[in-house]
Amino acid sequence: AQSVTQPDIHITVSEGASLELRCNYSYGATPYLFWYVQSPGQGLQLLLKYFSGDTLVQGIKGFEAEFKRSQSSFNLRKPSVHWSDAAEYFCAVGPLGGGYNKLIFGAGTRLAVHP
Amino acid sequence: GAGVSQSPSNKVTEKGKDVELRCDPISGHTALYWYRQSLGQGLEFLIYFQGNSAPDKSGLPSDRFSAERTGGSVSTLTIQRTQQEDSAVYLCASSLSLAGARGGGEQFFGPGTRLTVL
Repeated sequence: AQSVTQPDIHITVSEGASLELRCNYSYGATPYLFWYVQSPGQGLQLLLKYFSGDTLVQGIKGFEAEFKRSQSSFNLRKPSVHWSDAAEYFCAVGPLGGGYNKLIFGAGTRLAVHP
Repeated sequence: GAGVSQSPSNKVTEKGKDVELRCDPISGHTALYWYRQSLGQGLEFLIYFQGNSAPDKSGLPSDRFSAERTGGSVSTLTIQRTQQEDSAVYLCASSLSLAGARGGGEQFFGPGTRLTVL
């Protein structure tokens, strides 16, 4: 069955520290991979996506993610966290082709940032 | 509109009542999705519309849930005889449908409707 696992429910980092949020997926083939961020009271905003090609993808707000096929992982990273990055982060997978994305989401990781 | 809008933003209802949740997608977006975000459950796909048709309803949890879309635009998610386990945030997303394109179109999400069933 298709699934996405985000092992860390809560993470706390200090402002300026580096960040890595983990995401592992189970899928029948190479999926499309996404990271979304949800700030309190807000909808989900796409940070970045991977379809093919270079396995290191750059996104908005200084985030990047690396697709590792051998580990079925798509971890999100940021070299220096800002207080405004406090939010909930969701990893998602979607099917190839078909003209639409039925996204399967992980349970999310809530990030807190200490000043 | 500039983004996906949903109404109401909050809905409190009594068990057994029917509720309707509304989604206004981004103008010109032909694909529309409903998801449910329950506490501790992450986001679950409910239904997908392409135009006014719903080729994928596989995520609707029971026959108490239904959705329609009219004019290729506004969509309504209806929950009949609500139960406490229906309490969740219901999110709507829309995208340009790029049929045949890998990955389809990026989904843009609305702020959600928080449903509380007492």
